[in-house]
Amino acid sequence: DVVLTQTPPTLSATIGQSVSISCRSSQSLLDSDGDTYLNWLLQRPGQSPQLLIYSVSNLESGVPNRFSGSGSETDFTLKISGVEAEDLGVYYCMQATHAPNTFGAGTKLELK
Amino acid sequence: QVQLQQSGAELAKPGSSVKISCKASGYTFTSYDISWIKQTTGQGLEYIGYINTGSGGTYYNEKFKGKATLTVDKSSSTAFMQLSSLTPEDTAVYYCARERITTVVPHYYVMDAWGQGASVTVSS
Repeated sequence: DVVLTQTPPTLSATIGQSVSISCRSSQSLLDSDGDTYLNWLLQRPGQSPQLLIYSVSNLESGVPNRFSGSGSETDFTLKISGVEAEDLGVYYCMQATHAPNTFGAGTKLELK
Repeated sequence: QVQLQQSGAELAKPGSSVKISCKASGYTFTSYDISWIKQTTGQGLEYIGYINTGSGGTYYNEKFKGKATLTVDKSSSTAFMQLSSLTPEDTAVYYCARERITTVVPHYYVMDAWGQGASVTVSS
């Protein structure tokens, strides 16, 4: 199975600060059609995960544009440009290129 | 609005089975597949598999073959997951999630709505 390694495991930020989370894959997530199926999810405290970004950089409907995703093949990044209080929680990357779908271990974003 | 309402917490004995439900509302049930995901503190999030709610066809992660059985009841817009031969390693929160096809290229399935989770505790 594909292993996704997220760094850092914990991120402390102040409100308004910009932060980035890295997700590295054990193999390329570029499929034979030239597409990359890498998603980002956020799990707020006490809540279920929710989809933020799909296909590397596409924002899910309703997600603020302070969130952005980038990357290719094995290296991907989620950036939050100006953290807000509602952004606190655990962020997961998830790949759907290679069955079975797999998730990173998560990055916990907390207030400094 | 789209909602997935899962059944309540379960306390089960080793060797027994549990059946978790996921009742959908706010959309046409048979137009979207339902996936199931396991969350534990130690292993994080693990993908169990999905069911085609129209045909009943299923896909299972190899790791969960023989452990999880996915079914649907179209008449009640409900998906079910039965977990058998329970061990303490099955103690987890289990989520159901709706699979929606993306509107932009590339078109693939993403989990766009999640249930609130069902806690299963296996203990003697």
